[in-house]
Amino acid sequence: GAGVSQSPSNKVTEKGKDVELRCDPISGHTALYWYRQRLGQGLEFLIYFQGNSAPDKSGLPSDRFSAERTGESVSTLTIQRTQQEDSAVYLCASSLNARDFYGYTFGSGTRLTVV
Amino acid sequence: AQRVTQPEKLLSVFKGAPVELKCNYSYSGSPELFWYVQYSRQRLQLLLRHISRESIKGFTADLNKGETSFHLKKPFAQEEDSAMYYCALSLSYNTDKLIFGTGTRLQVFP
Repeated sequence: GAGVSQSPSNKVTEKGKDVELRCDPISGHTALYWYRQRLGQGLEFLIYFQGNSAPDKSGLPSDRFSAERTGESVSTLTIQRTQQEDSAVYLCASSLNARDFYGYTFGSGTRLTVV
Repeated sequence: AQRVTQPEKLLSVFKGAPVELKCNYSYSGSPELFWYVQYSRQRLQLLLRHISRESIKGFTADLNKGETSFHLKKPFAQEEDSAMYYCALSLSYNTDKLIFGTGTRLQVFP
């Protein structure tokens, strides 16, 4: 596609339910990142995939959060047993290669609201 | 811990006035610093990076290691500069994750 695509754009869920957020990176981009932005805060790194290397999961806030990526394509971020503090905009970005900051392209995000 | 601080949540100026958006970082190594911008209803995008020493849309930013700052400056603000600006830090040359500040909203009035 022309850009990084995220779905859904908005998600309202009840506390305790599981949610799945999807990211379609730009075709050919080997690197994919997930960030979270809570209200009034900066972007918070969650996880990073680079090609076939083991992902950098150092930013995942708890074991309720997990993410997968199949090859160099779609990634899904799963949040189990959602809590109200999980409410945030979840942003995905991709880049052609590692450290390609000029080509670091963000999606428009998924706004998650846990009620 | 590594941190990026943007002390101003909101900066309001009139068109033609100089602008300085402040960014300070804490990191003992050799940082790489960036400014990202998000215009209304648009996606977050890279504005400039310190390593390039470039001027983009009239904006410049100089890395001051002594003061651990990377302030974004423009001598004459334009209305179209109104946006959210985020300062970001990459820790070293073998990691790709960015640490972002909380952002500053710049409002330029006519």
